[in-house]
Amino acid sequence: GAVVSQHPSWVICKSGTSVKIECRSLDFQATTMFWYRQFPKQSLMLMATSNEGSKATYEQGVEKDKFLINHASLTLSTLTVTSAHPEDSSFYICSASGGQGLPNQPQHFGDGTRLSIL
Amino acid sequence: AQKITQTQPGMFVQEKEAVTLDCTYDTSDQSYGLFWYKQPSSGEMIFLIYQGSYDEQNATEGRYSLNFQKARKSANLVISASQLGDSAMYFCAMREDSGAGSYQLTFGKGTKLSVIP
Repeated sequence: GAVVSQHPSWVICKSGTSVKIECRSLDFQATTMFWYRQFPKQSLMLMATSNEGSKATYEQGVEKDKFLINHASLTLSTLTVTSAHPEDSSFYICSASGGQGLPNQPQHFGDGTRLSIL
Repeated sequence: AQKITQTQPGMFVQEKEAVTLDCTYDTSDQSYGLFWYKQPSSGEMIFLIYQGSYDEQNATEGRYSLNFQKARKSANLVISASQLGDSAMYFCAMREDSGAGSYQLTFGKGTKLSVIP
């Protein structure tokens, strides 16, 4: 089946550091990728939709300047948490859908990144 | 209003028994997709099963089946012959046309399933 690789799995860093998370589709071209955030024991909350070659679409309440998204190719999207602070600590997970992204195509998820800001 | 409602925060099932996880949804779209994902404690999201709004038959994938009742807007997941490895969080999700050309997934709050030996 389709594979999405997310790196790194764990990040622990000091407050004020910028952190980049990569999401790669390994065996298909992902025209659209999605970035989610998940707090402990809660559901996934969509942060933004990343479209190859264009600007990301952010959900209401998500700071564009804090969470920078780049989708420069059909196989790679990156999320950069700029000047991270302890409140940014969370589980970040990406997903990708190939082709037309039609309703009957499942999104394939990366394994997620646990971000801890000290 | 919530688009996906999972009313069971936690469920227990005896090993080898069947269990039903509830999911109701709300949409005005005619074309949409319903998904179930499993999330173990390690965090990855594992796709289990899909049901399209126009599919007349209930979807099945191995021990997983989806009880789709369109008029009631419900899409319950049935796991037969539960195994200890089934213990995890289960999320129901819906994909509908966001109007921007991409189909976003909206997740329910999840149900934590615990399989008892």
